[in-house]
Amino acid sequence: EPEVTQTPSHQVTQMGQEVILRCVPISNHLYFYWYRQILGQKVEFLVSFYNNEISEKSEIFDDQFSVERPDGSNFTLKIRSTKLEDSAMYFCASSTNLGNTIYFGEGSWLTVV
Amino acid sequence: GQNIDQPTEMTATEGAIVQINCTYQTSGFNGLFWYQQHAGEAPTFLSYNVLDGLEEKGRFSSFLSRSKGYSYLLLKELQMKDSASYLCAVTFYNYGQNFVFGPGTRLSVLP
Repeated sequence: EPEVTQTPSHQVTQMGQEVILRCVPISNHLYFYWYRQILGQKVEFLVSFYNNEISEKSEIFDDQFSVERPDGSNFTLKIRSTKLEDSAMYFCASSTNLGNTIYFGEGSWLTVV
Repeated sequence: GQNIDQPTEMTATEGAIVQINCTYQTSGFNGLFWYQQHAGEAPTFLSYNVLDGLEEKGRFSSFLSRSKGYSYLLLKELQMKDSASYLCAVTFYNYGQNFVFGPGTRLSVLP
């Protein structure tokens, strides 16, 4: 069964450093997403991406965040200058269409120290 | 903003039936999804409701009332492996149809 894959599974970084989280969405899906979940809290929407541009973003997704689809398969989330409060599990997800079921990757656990 | 409410925790016994409720604001409602999330893992899709009524899928069923802004997930013949968080997620037209997740209900199944 096709699945969303994410790398790395776990990353520890120093405050102020740049981090890139990578994702390979399901191949026939057109919409891609990043969500985050701070430990013990709810899953929060960050950004949705369609046709090589951002279609929607939340208030969490400020200027420190960016997304890119550098080639035909990868979808990346970059955090330019990490803060302690960026420590969370970051989930990539994809769907065939907007409003359809989204399928999550296994997540990238980011720890900022 | 879009508010979605669920009970924080529930406990049930192996073999029993449990109902997990979810309420949401009705304005702009598009669809409602239930996901299961084991600790430290990704959410996995369980069910989807867009019209009023009950959707049955094996041991799991989900109900929706659009006019009341209410849904529930019904788990039958509970097994120990059903111990997990159950996330209600709603898509709203006025939020780009992106998923808004509730806080999740942590279910503990006891022997």
